[in-house]
Amino acid sequence: DAGVTQSPTHLIKTRGQQVTLRCSPKSGHDTVSWYQQALGQGPQFIFQYYEEEERQRGNFPDRFSGHQFPNYSSELNVNALLLGDSALYLCASSSGGTRYEPQHFGDGTRLSIL
Amino acid sequence: DAKTTQPNSMESNEEEPVHLPCNHSTISGTDYIHWYRQLPSQGPEYVIHGLTSNVNNRMASLAIAEDRKSSTLILHRATLRDAAVYYCILVNTGKLIFGQGTTLQVKP
Repeated sequence: DAGVTQSPTHLIKTRGQQVTLRCSPKSGHDTVSWYQQALGQGPQFIFQYYEEEERQRGNFPDRFSGHQFPNYSSELNVNALLLGDSALYLCASSSGGTRYEPQHFGDGTRLSIL
Repeated sequence: DAKTTQPNSMESNEEEPVHLPCNHSTISGTDYIHWYRQLPSQGPEYVIHGLTSNVNNRMASLAIAEDRKSSTLILHRATLRDAAVYYCILVNTGKLIFGQGTTLQVKP
């Protein structure tokens, strides 16, 4: 039973570019959340998708957007990349029936901005 | 979002029990207490969660104070693989608000 898978594992971009990160949830999960983790810090919540809609959002600018597909997989898009966007981007999946279900994380995409 | 307070770091000897404390004095009645841990170069891993009663699973035990203003994660026999950052998080809206967590070092 595959867990949460993210691609790519590493990515290098330059300032001003755009990037798309991908996530496949754990089998049986219908909710996907995205987190940003800067070096030495705890993860920060970006947004959560359920039933192909953004259910809630953290304190991130509109440059960060997402999408959820009918098969529950998800994409995170970041436009106009800044140096400060360099971080580990984590995807987590859960069952959307309740809001306190445990989340299962992938190992993330390491994004470096030059 | 309700906040938690954890010690920055703790040390333990291998094969001994570890008690990781967490204070959450502003917890609301609908907040669940979740614990996650993050090993180096990996995403966070769910450990355990509870609401009011103590909970046990194959990984750990969670002891919740009667007033729910504090909780303790108990690892019954620490191994070197338990060295990680442990996060205590209050959850009621589905999003996880991570603090700095407790870095657990396990000495052989």
